Amino acid sequence: LAKTTQPISMDSYEGQEVNITCSHNNIATNDYITWYQQFPSQGPRFIIQGYKTKVTNEVASLFIPADRKSSTLSLPRVSLSDTAVYYCLVGDGQNFVFGPGTRLSVLP
Amino acid sequence: DAMVIQNPRYQVTQFGKPVTLSCSQTLNHNVMYWYQQKSSQAPKLLFHYYDKDFNNEADTPDNFQSRRPNTSFCFLDIRSPGLGDAAMYLCATSRSGVGDTQYFGPGTRLTVL
Repeated sequence: LAKTTQPISMDSYEGQEVNITCSHNNIATNDYITWYQQFPSQGPRFIIQGYKTKVTNEVASLFIPADRKSSTLSLPRVSLSDTAVYYCLVGDGQNFVFGPGTRLSVLP
Repeated sequence: DAMVIQNPRYQVTQFGKPVTLSCSQTLNHNVMYWYQQKSSQAPKLLFHYYDKDFNNEADTPDNFQSRRPNTSFCFLDIRSPGLGDAAMYLCATSRSGVGDTQYFGPGTRLTVL
């Protein structure tokens, strides 16, 4: 299983772009990279998923370099409601591991 | 709306008294997962079902058991809860196969007195 590391916490201000990086040096060929958002007392919620290069949806972008040993979640113009813990998950549907999570605090 | 439902949302039990947590899904997904999440930690996978096939994580204590009587329901049984088992228990589902995203329920917070 790919071991993942993330920054423990990050602070940002409303309206700024936030980039959260996850390192996964021993990612396997079949592994996907998925990011989840979790608010207190709720289950994690899917944000975005990718395998390589760049993926964009209505809420975020995911950048994955060619060697796939890291990935960066980009949140454009964050608001106070984006304050949450963000987890990267690396693996296939059967074998996977959550990263330790990054606690993002968005300040007014 | 299709969703993953967990009952109850809050459960209090006594030390050593068996407890069962339930999860149901309307997504018709093949895979169902149970996680334990303690404060300020990432979810920790306990086990999962791929259809009827049960997959137990190597470090999941024997105190934790699971049942999946049909596609829609899955249960987590804690045979003799200890104080260290107090946590949020999360159920999740995925369709199947490589790269499928997981859909999580709201969780059940277990308190052990």
